[in-house]
Parts: sequence; structure tokens; C-alpha cells
Amino acid sequence: QVQLQESGPGLVKPSQTLSLTCTVSGGSISSGAYFWTWIRQHPGKGLEWLGYINYSGTTNYNPSLKSRITISEGTSNNQFSLKLTSVTAADTAIYYCARGRVSVAAPNKWGQGTLVTVSS
Amino acid sequence: DIQLTQSPSTLSASVGDRVTITCRASQSVSSWLAWYQQKPGKAPKLLIYKTSSLENAVPSRFSGSGSGTEFTLTISGLQPDDFATYYCQQYNSPWTFGQGTKVDIK
Repeated sequence: QVQLQESGPGLVKPSQTLSLTCTVSGGSISSGAYFWTWIRQHPGKGLEWLGYINYSGTTNYNPSLKSRITISEGTSNNQFSLKLTSVTAADTAIYYCARGRVSVAAPNKWGQGTLVTVSS
Repeated sequence: DIQLTQSPSTLSASVGDRVTITCRASQSVSSWLAWYQQKPGKAPKLLIYKTSSLENAVPSRFSGSGSGTEFTLTISGLQPDDFATYYCQQYNSPWTFGQGTKVDIK
């Protein structure tokens, strides 16, 4: 049974870079059957898709984040990461990593989420 | 970006009720629409993908229908575990979500 777990700092200063890692247990991100995505949720608000990476390293990002976002494979075969530069208070949110099947697209396995607060 | 508008925003219902939530898209999403359930403090849970396909282990009282720009999620016989917030999502890039529909106890 695959499980995903987000990790990283819970507090980031404005203008700095938010960095999160998603560790996948019970599966490998190199499987061609899946893609790996980041989604966030502002406190008490709706969901916002940030981007995804597939098994070959191809990425697709939400244009609203312009050039601030990078999703990449981690240093081990069971991790992928999110970097968001030049953060502001508007980036304060719960960040979820998730896995979707290529044949279905909609993510069906999610991490529990991690709250990142942007504040000085 | 494709905007998704859910209605109603809040729905009060009783156990056993048939509940319908609507999701309207600002342009056609074909059949690339999913539905999620989210409970407080938890990650969303996929219920329905590609408009009407039931995700594994999701009870059959959940069903989805629609096409193009108008979609519905129906819960046939609301159970106590179903009181939650429901989101639709379209997955033409960039993916977008509806604003959510909270189903609470009448």
C-alpha cells in the first residue's frame, strides 16, 4: 500500500524559498504508470494545483506560479520535491503531495499535508 | 484557465437523503472531471474520476454524471460518514478545482 509523506520547514520568511520533500513508501516514482503532483490549500479555502512530474522527469506547472516553481525528483528513487521561490504571505497554505495514475490523471493517493506559514 | 462553479455552496441534509451537487465549467472539459471528498484536517479523497468512474473501494451510493460543462455528483442515501466538503476538479491543464460544497447535518 503506497503512502506519501510531506516534510520540510513549517515556517519560511518572505522572499525566501519554500522547499518541501515528498517521501513515497511502498512504491517508486520511476514507475511509468504514475505521475507525482503538488497541490495546496490556503487555510479554510479551496484547492490549488501547483504542478506535477512524471516518471521521465517531465514537468507541468500551473502558469499562475510563473517561474517561481520547480518540481524535481529527489535524491533517492522514492522522493520528489517542490521549490517555490520569492514566497509571500499568499503562499501560506497546507501543501499536499499526491500520486495519480497516468490512465486516470486525478490523484488518488495523497499525503496528509503539511502547513507552511510565510512570516517574518 | 477553466473556472469551475459548484452549487450549492452549503447543503443541509439528513441521513438517508438523496443529495445532488452540481459543478459547472466555464468551457468544455470533455469528460475530464473528478470529484473529491474532504473531511476537516484530512487530505481530499478521490471518489469519482472521468465524470462517472467510481474509484476503488468507494461505496456505490456515490455516482457522477454529465459532460461538457455541466456535471453532477449524487449521493443516494446519505450516510453519517458522508458529512464533509466535496470538490470537483477538471484536469485539462492547468487543473482547477471548484470552490467546494459543504454537506452538513440538517
